[in-house]
Formats: sequence, C-alpha cells, structure tokens
Amino acid sequence: GQQVMQIPQYQHVQEGEDFTTYCNSSTTLSNIQWYKQRPGGHPVFLIQLVKSGEVKKQKRLTFQFGEAKKNSSLHITATQTTDVGTYFCAGSGWARGKLQFGAGTQVVVTP
Amino acid sequence: GAVVSQHPSRVICKSGTSVKIECRSLDFQATTMFWYRQFPKKSLMLMATSNEGSKATYEQGVEKDKFLINHASLTLSTLTVTSAHPEDSSFYICSARVPDRGHETQYFGPGTRLLVL
Repeated sequence: GQQVMQIPQYQHVQEGEDFTTYCNSSTTLSNIQWYKQRPGGHPVFLIQLVKSGEVKKQKRLTFQFGEAKKNSSLHITATQTTDVGTYFCAGSGWARGKLQFGAGTQVVVTP
Repeated sequence: GAVVSQHPSRVICKSGTSVKIECRSLDFQATTMFWYRQFPKKSLMLMATSNEGSKATYEQGVEKDKFLINHASLTLSTLTVTSAHPEDSSFYICSARVPDRGHETQYFGPGTRLLVL
C-alpha cells in the first residue's frame, strides 16, 4: 500500500547547527504537509506544499517539494532550543483529505 | 482561525466502561473530521474518517463497534471507546479538515489521553 517514509527518526543537534529531515512517498502525492509536535502536545500545522518543485520558507525553516511530487524535505538553520519536538510529514493524494503520516523525526537540541 | 477543541484532555477509567471523547471545530464548519491514535513516540495512525450526517469510514483493522463515531453536526464529532480495556490506553487526537482553495489542510485538537485501568 501507499507509504510515507521519513528519515532520520531521531536527530540530535547542537544549538546553532543546521539539519534536514527527509520524507519519501511510494506514490505521487497531491500535496504534502508538515506538522510539529512538541513533547506532550499535539501536532501543529506548519505548511502545505502543492506544486512540483515548490520551495517555501518560514523564518529558519525551508520546505521543499520534489519535482516528482514524491519527496519532500524540511531544513532548519541555526537550530534553537525552541525547535525541539517531533516533525511529521504527511502526504495526501490517495483519498480526498486523508493524510498518511511519516514516522516523524524527533529533534533534540543541546545548548 | 481554524481552532479545534477536544474534551476531555485526560481520562482515567476502569476496564469495561465506555468513554466518550468530543471534538469540536470552534470557528469553522467541518464536514469532515478525522480520528487518530498515537502511541508513545510513534506516529499518528488514522482510525476513521467522520463525515457529518453519514456513517464514519473506518480504516482497516479498526473495529467500528469498538470505536463508535458520531458526527451529528458541522462542528462536533464524538468518539466513544466502548468496553474499554487497558490496551485501548492511548493518545487520541481528532482533526478537522479546513477547505483551502481545493487543497485541504487539517487542524488538530489538543488530544485526549486515555488510561484504562
């Protein structure tokens, strides 16, 4: 069946460093969404990418959608302690509105 | 905008009892809501799609008689865990679809932590 894979599952980052998390789908997506879940919290919508090759930025976060609309990445520059949490990608395309979540990348930031 | 509330935030119940969880869209109408389950340090697993005025659509492996879903209005969906057992203990999260120029995003409620003793 359709799958969304996300790597790495765990990312330990020194404050100030950059890192990237990657998301890959086994099938072409209609759109991809990114969510952040803080420890003990619930997923919070970050962004949605729709167009092939699309790049969007939110301050230190850069989101990309692959040309084939099967992969995506989230790059965070100059990591801060507030970036701690689990980042999930979620693909849409197989059934209207349904999202298939990746396993998430848990980010730990050390000062 | 696009605020989703969930109640209760935490519930502890005895094995064999039923628990009802409410999901409300506060500032928009949601014809479709989704119910997810999340185990510690794991991803979100879609349980069912709740459609206003019609029966919910359950994902494979999710027992519809165990997890009753009712979506009686455009702002409220409920999930009832019937005859709860310890293995039903989990974090249950609802989301509501927000139409946005044809590419719909979901906004999540704060979740309900269920502990069955």
